[in-house]
Amino acid sequence: ETGVTQTPRHLVMGMTNKKSLKCEQHLGHNAMYWYKQSAKKPLELMFVYNFKEQTENNSVPSRFSPECPNSSHLFLHLHTLQPEDSALYLCASSQGDFQKFFGPGTRLTVL
Amino acid sequence: KQEVTQIPAALSVPEGENLVLNCSFTDSAIYNLQWFRQDPGKGLTSLLLIQSSQREQTSGRLNASLDKSSGRSTLYIAASQPGDSATYLCAVRPTGSQGNLIFGKGTKLSVKP
Repeated sequence: ETGVTQTPRHLVMGMTNKKSLKCEQHLGHNAMYWYKQSAKKPLELMFVYNFKEQTENNSVPSRFSPECPNSSHLFLHLHTLQPEDSALYLCASSQGDFQKFFGPGTRLTVL
Repeated sequence: KQEVTQIPAALSVPEGENLVLNCSFTDSAIYNLQWFRQDPGKGLTSLLLIQSSQREQTSGRLNASLDKSSGRSTLYIAASQPGDSATYLCAVRPTGSQGNLIFGKGTKLSVKP
């Protein structure tokens, strides 16, 4: 297990539900990221936060809404998702441009 | 647009063999390249990071090389063990990006006892 934790580890939700994914890093890093890993596709960057400010939104649909209240915590709020949004959602952190450390991920299934 | 390709997609070897995993990228304007390991259903573990000015990095039985001009990197695993079985991912950080990593699809390695 790394210094990046994610909860829940597994989530099943209907298309009309609202849920949130949580990420916490215990490494004192100043940057946090959300990545999506779908079956048979490379990991895709979703959002980047530096010092709590969003610096990159990789054309992610508005049904995904990130929140970064402080440098240690990152949330991904989900609403009205589609079945094709089912994937492994990975959180990562880094100190500036240095090595990224990933969490264990949340396996999301949208019914 | 930067693209990262990993060959082969899957590899099965007997225990004890030395092996090489390949990674290629289309744009040589990179800041660094990182190799990760991913176990089934789990997150990524960083193995090695090579800065664009470096040629190689070593950690234990792992050695990663980088040839930026030709857009290639290799991960060499010496004396493979069943515990090395995992998916190995290569990722590049393009210059000028906000820390974004572009990933390949990975090589799934199986080391048979």
